[in-house]
Amino acid sequence: EAQVTQNPRYLITVTGKKLTVTCSQNMNHEYMSWYRQDPGLGLRQIYYSMNVEVTDKGDVPEGYKVSRKEKRNFPLILESPSPNQTSLYFCASRGTGGTFYEQYFGPGTRLTVT
Amino acid sequence: AQKVTQAQTEISVVEKEDVTLDCVYETRDTTYYLFWYKQPPSGELVFLIRRNSFDEQNEISGRYSWNFQKSTSSFNFTITASQVVDSAVYFCALALYSSASKIIFGSGTRLSIRP
Repeated sequence: EAQVTQNPRYLITVTGKKLTVTCSQNMNHEYMSWYRQDPGLGLRQIYYSMNVEVTDKGDVPEGYKVSRKEKRNFPLILESPSPNQTSLYFCASRGTGGTFYEQYFGPGTRLTVT
Repeated sequence: AQKVTQAQTEISVVEKEDVTLDCVYETRDTTYYLFWYKQPPSGELVFLIRRNSFDEQNEISGRYSWNFQKSTSSFNFTITASQVVDSAVYFCALALYSSASKIIFGSGTRLSIRP
């Protein structure tokens, strides 16, 4: 089954404690992205990757890091989380062939930073 | 700049009423895609429809229908005979063919269907 998985699904942490949210897809997709969803703002892109070792900033990259060492994985790293990073996070992937612009979204990770 | 506007923040209707969710987009590109996603209370994003800029045909899928009008840059979504299970947040979104990196989302419309 084609899918994007994220872990953990829920996370409560404290300010300053480094954390990583993992994202993995099984569709051999080139493009992967991270979005955050906040009330009244919709989803905004944090970072994206066009392939292994190719990443770039989205609209709200401050406070986040990403890496793309393998095609299937695209972890989101918060080196020093702050309360304003409390949000719902989505990972997404898509291919470049017949599924052009058919984005697959993960189930979401609800992060609370206290 | 590209933008998607969903002016209706919240809508509440009684079950079996018809309801239309508005979406207005801005882009100067001629090739683009428009989407609608549903986000139920459980939080996941459910893909509903994708439309490319060259296909202005309206689409109907069961109780759902979409009206795409390039002249007014709108891509409205109508639910006929609404049901309680339709209660969710609905997002309209735009992707440009020239910019493969992201989808631009509207702020969402929270739809509540009262029994």
